[in-house]
Amino acid sequence: AQSVAQPEDQVNVAEGNPLTVKCTYSVSGNPYLFWYVQYPNRGLQFLLKYITGDNLVKGSYGFEAEFNKSQTSFHLKKPSALVSDSALYFCAVTIYNQGGKLIFGQGTELSVKP
Amino acid sequence: DAGVIQSPRHEVTEMGQEVTLRCKLISGHNSLFWYRQTMMRGLELLIYFNNNVPIDDSGMPEDRFSAKMPNASFSTLKIQPSEPRDSAVYFCASSAWDRNTEAFFGQGTRLTVV
Repeated sequence: AQSVAQPEDQVNVAEGNPLTVKCTYSVSGNPYLFWYVQYPNRGLQFLLKYITGDNLVKGSYGFEAEFNKSQTSFHLKKPSALVSDSALYFCAVTIYNQGGKLIFGQGTELSVKP
Repeated sequence: DAGVIQSPRHEVTEMGQEVTLRCKLISGHNSLFWYRQTMMRGLELLIYFNNNVPIDDSGMPEDRFSAKMPNASFSTLKIQPSEPRDSAVYFCASSAWDRNTEAFFGQGTRLTVV
């Protein structure tokens, strides 16, 4: 069965500093990996995905993530955090024959302070 | 396209009443997912459909829950009878998985059962 772990419930970063939100996964087969962001009282918004190809993927709002097959990780990064990046971030995984069924991690609350 | 549309945005009902949540998919999408979000359990997949056919309903908590897709663009999630522990935010999402698109989420329905 697929699973996703986000080991940190909360990440605190100062504005302007780099940020990393961690994600590890477990699947049988080749993973398709996703990051979503959720602002208060809103739905989830897609940030970026890894399907195949280059291990470093770039997404919306300056975010990027690196697929590391040997470490089964897909950490989300941004070189310089903004206060407006403060939100709940979810990592998700699926495999091709699951019809797009996403399994989510428990979420990481990112707080960026001025 | 207006995106995935859910209604109502908020629902307050008394225990024992029937509740129906509605979802309109993005035009051209053929996969539909219902998720439930709570503080305790995070994001749980309840059921998903491909081409109007239910594929996996193993996440549906009890027989009180049922979901349908009467046509390719619309779905309902019904709870009958509702209980206080059903209180949560319910999201639907759609995708065109055969074209490797990510899932797009609606704004959610916040259900409170008193």
